Amino acid sequence: GAGVSQSPRYKVAKRGQDVALRCDPISGHVSLFWYQQALGQGPEFLTYFQNEAQLDKSGLPSDRFFAERPEGSVSTLKIQRTQQEDSAVYLCASSLAWESRGTQYFGPGTRLLVL
Amino acid sequence: EDQVTQSPEALRLQEGESSSLNCSYTVSGLRGLFWYRQDPGKGPEFLFTLYSAGEEKEKERLKATLTKKESFLHITAPKPEDSATYLCAVQAYGGGSNYKLTFGKGTLLTVNP
Repeated sequence: GAGVSQSPRYKVAKRGQDVALRCDPISGHVSLFWYQQALGQGPEFLTYFQNEAQLDKSGLPSDRFFAERPEGSVSTLKIQRTQQEDSAVYLCASSLAWESRGTQYFGPGTRLLVL
Repeated sequence: EDQVTQSPEALRLQEGESSSLNCSYTVSGLRGLFWYRQDPGKGPEFLFTLYSAGEEKEKERLKATLTKKESFLHITAPKPEDSATYLCAVQAYGGGSNYKLTFGKGTLLTVNP
């Protein structure tokens, strides 16, 4: 079946531009996660949704980062006024189990480069 | 704070040369320990979940084991297609955040033919 999909796969932005990254989770998955992966590092948690509710946004690095999942399926991670330190791979993951012990399945990621 | 340390950072093996990757962790209470494989330019691919000390799981040439302080990923008679970065992650009880995964930096495995 279809896995988690993300778009765009690559994004080049000039410093100061706003970007929007899209995630389509596996159909029926209640939980959705965003992670940031810097080069040579493991993924780091950004935010968590259960259906349309954003239950944890403690990992978002600044108020320039905003995530939403208005209908409980597709999610968008928006970064305003991008900075060079925002360059990373942004990974989306989804999980079936609402109690959140379920396995998280990852998408291919969006590679963001801020010039 | 939950911590995950993986070693070695990089491992180069000859085809057929068995070895193990280590994942040491510190958590307040372990809900689960996860192993993922990540190929260049791709997202992490799920391999195993372990929930309690003494548990073992196998898949083809891979076997994951868990103790109270660490997990091992044993690779038996590896093939070049096993080359990838292997990531370990923990999910912990408590602190109101028992869903997030905390990852190590990964071990880059290269298997030469």
